Amino acid sequence: DQQVKQNSPSLSVQEGRISILNCDYTNSMFDYFLWYKKYPAEGPTFLISISSIKDKNEDGRFTVFLNKSAKHLSLHIVPSQPGDSAVYFCALGDYDMRFGAGTRLTVKP
Amino acid sequence: NAGVTQTPKFQVLKTGQSMTLQCAQDMNHEYMSWYRQDPGMGLRLIHYSVGAGITDQGEVPNGYNVSRSTTEDFPLRLLSAAPSQTSVYFCASRGTGAFLTNSPLHFGNGTRLTVT
Repeated sequence: DQQVKQNSPSLSVQEGRISILNCDYTNSMFDYFLWYKKYPAEGPTFLISISSIKDKNEDGRFTVFLNKSAKHLSLHIVPSQPGDSAVYFCALGDYDMRFGAGTRLTVKP
Repeated sequence: NAGVTQTPKFQVLKTGQSMTLQCAQDMNHEYMSWYRQDPGMGLRLIHYSVGAGITDQGEVPNGYNVSRSTTEDFPLRLLSAAPSQTSVYFCASRGTGAFLTNSPLHFGNGTRLTVT
């Protein structure tokens, strides 16, 4: 039962353009949604989060949007930089936090 | 700042062997968990603990045991390794309390396990 889905395994964008990463979930009981970033040979690191009472949260170049009626979460990176190239995971839940399969973002100079 | 430390970084086992993956954190976090990462599957929760003496199963607990005797340590035991347990294992921790959901997970750098 895959509760969290990231349907795009990979995404390639040009430096300076917008990157949009998407995530769908099935359980409407989740209250807290997060994005993690992972570089090779390292553990994931927290990037940005949003609670269910909001529909948008910004942190610098990163913005997360939440559409609860559609059970959809998205991460926007503007402008994208080569250092943003990594695997991005969305995550939902609390004690039993569940992760999506990840999207590999490549930002080309 | 050590954070979450996992040992070993790499391990090769033969089918049927046992081993323990070590995880220690120095942030006084009450919550700790283990994930495995497989291609196309993302991170899947194996076991978690909300405090010393308390553990619970995650999404894929079969074949793994855990215990939590101290706040700092949360070892993961493979009693009889199988090739299906070939994976990268991540330990994570976070603080707990009234604002649990405002405390994101801190991950270690992983243990890459190969079972032949």
